[in-house]
Amino acid sequence: EIVLTQSPDFQSVTPKEKVTITCRASQSIGSSLHWYQQKPDQSPKLLIKYASQSISGVPSRFSGSGSGTDFTLTINSLEAEDAATYYCHQSSSLPLTFGGGTKVEIK
Amino acid sequence: EVQLVQSGAEVKKPGATVKISCKVSGYTFTDYYMHWVQQAPGKGLEWMGLVDPEDGETIYAEKFQGRVTITADTSTDTAYMELSSLRSEDTAVYYCATDSINGAYNWFDPWGQGTLVTVSS
Repeated sequence: EIVLTQSPDFQSVTPKEKVTITCRASQSIGSSLHWYQQKPDQSPKLLIKYASQSISGVPSRFSGSGSGTDFTLTINSLEAEDAATYYCHQSSSLPLTFGGGTKVEIK
Repeated sequence: EVQLVQSGAEVKKPGATVKISCKVSGYTFTDYYMHWVQQAPGKGLEWMGLVDPEDGETIYAEKFQGRVTITADTSTDTAYMELSSLRSEDTAVYYCATDSINGAYNWFDPWGQGTLVTVSS
């Protein structure tokens, strides 16, 4: 099973600040890494696919990078509406797995 | 518009079985795998398994193997997830989610609204 380790677990950030979340895979997964945003009492929403590909309708301040085992989700100029928990997800091999999540709080 | 609409909240006693539905609209049901994901209160996301609606083939996560049954009814474009021998640790929100590429595992989009299952005596 591929284990995804996210860091940090929690981040408190002021608006307009830059946020960086990392996701490390226990073995190489190429670019089969996707990011989701989950706001309280909502379903997860796709933010980035294949590590760095943008999704229609997602603000351009969200971007992803990385390949192999190390991946990053970046939120440029954080807005209040970005308060949420962010999850990475690998689809390289079964069982499909998720990172433990990173909660982003607005100061 | 693609939509996944799940059945309502359930309260079950330990040892019981729950069956949740996920009705699809806006795309051809048989084109994409349907996944189920568990989220315990205050916890992260855990993949439970998938069904290929085209032929009914299923794959389950080892943790749920033997207790979970995922099915697809192509006559109603509805997927189901049945979890048996319920215990308190199964208290969670369960999501269905559509895979993104025909015949492969990829990102999940969209997700259903979630169904809360509470297991309590």
